[in-house]
Amino acid sequence: SAVISQKPSRDICQRGTSLTIQCQVDSQVTMMFWYRQQPGQSLTLIATANQGSEATYESGFVIDKFPISRPNLTFSTLTVSNMSPEDSSIYLCSVGSWQTRNYGYTFGSGTRLTVV
Amino acid sequence: DQQVKQNSPSLSVQEGRISILNCDYTNSMFDYFLWYKKYPAEGPTFLISISSIKDKNEDGRFTVFLNKSAKHLSLHIVPSQPGDSAVYFCAGHSGGGADGLTFGKGTHLIIQP
Repeated sequence: SAVISQKPSRDICQRGTSLTIQCQVDSQVTMMFWYRQQPGQSLTLIATANQGSEATYESGFVIDKFPISRPNLTFSTLTVSNMSPEDSSIYLCSVGSWQTRNYGYTFGSGTRLTVV
Repeated sequence: DQQVKQNSPSLSVQEGRISILNCDYTNSMFDYFLWYKKYPAEGPTFLISISSIKDKNEDGRFTVFLNKSAKHLSLHIVPSQPGDSAVYFCAGHSGGGADGLTFGKGTHLIIQP
C-alpha cells in the first residue's frame, strides 16, 4: 500500500493565522482525502482533492476556510485559514487503495493542531 | 445524523480472550465496511474490510461479521494480545472508490494482562 508523509506532525498557532499542512505520497494516486478529528469525535471528511480540478468539499466545510491544492498526483496541501480555537483538531490526509484486494485506505500520521 | 455508530466508548478484555467490537450503521448505500486501528500520535491503520454482499471476512486473528438486515457489524479479535490495545474505528464506504469514508467515534480497547 502507499506510504504517506504528512507534515508538520504538530503545531501550536495563534488565532487569526493560517497553517498549511503538506501530504506527500510515494506513488501516484488519483484522489486524496482530507479528514479532521476533533477531540473525542470521529474522523470527518473535509474534502476530496483531485489533480487538475477543484477539490470537492463536504457539507459544513468551505474553500475559503480550508483551501486545498493538488498540483500533481503525489502531493497535496490543506490550509486552515483564519484559525480559531475551534479548529484545534488532528488533520489527516488519506489515499484510496481500492485497487487492492482489501479495499483499504491509507492514512498519514496526522497533524495535531492547537490554536491558542 | 450519525451514519456510523460505535456505542461503546471503551472495552476491557483479558489477554488471550476474545474481543468483540460492535458497530451499527444507518446508510444502506454503503458498499464496503472497514475497520481501522489507531495508536496515539499515529494515523489510523487499516485492519480488515468486508463487502456489503458478504457476511464474513477473516484475516488471521481478525474476523468481521456483517448482519445487513440488522445494519450491524462486529470485529472479533482472537486471541487478544497486549499490542491490540488501541482505538478501533468502524467506517462505511460508498461510491465505488470516489468517496471518502464515514467513521464512527471509535472504541478504546484495553487488553488486560
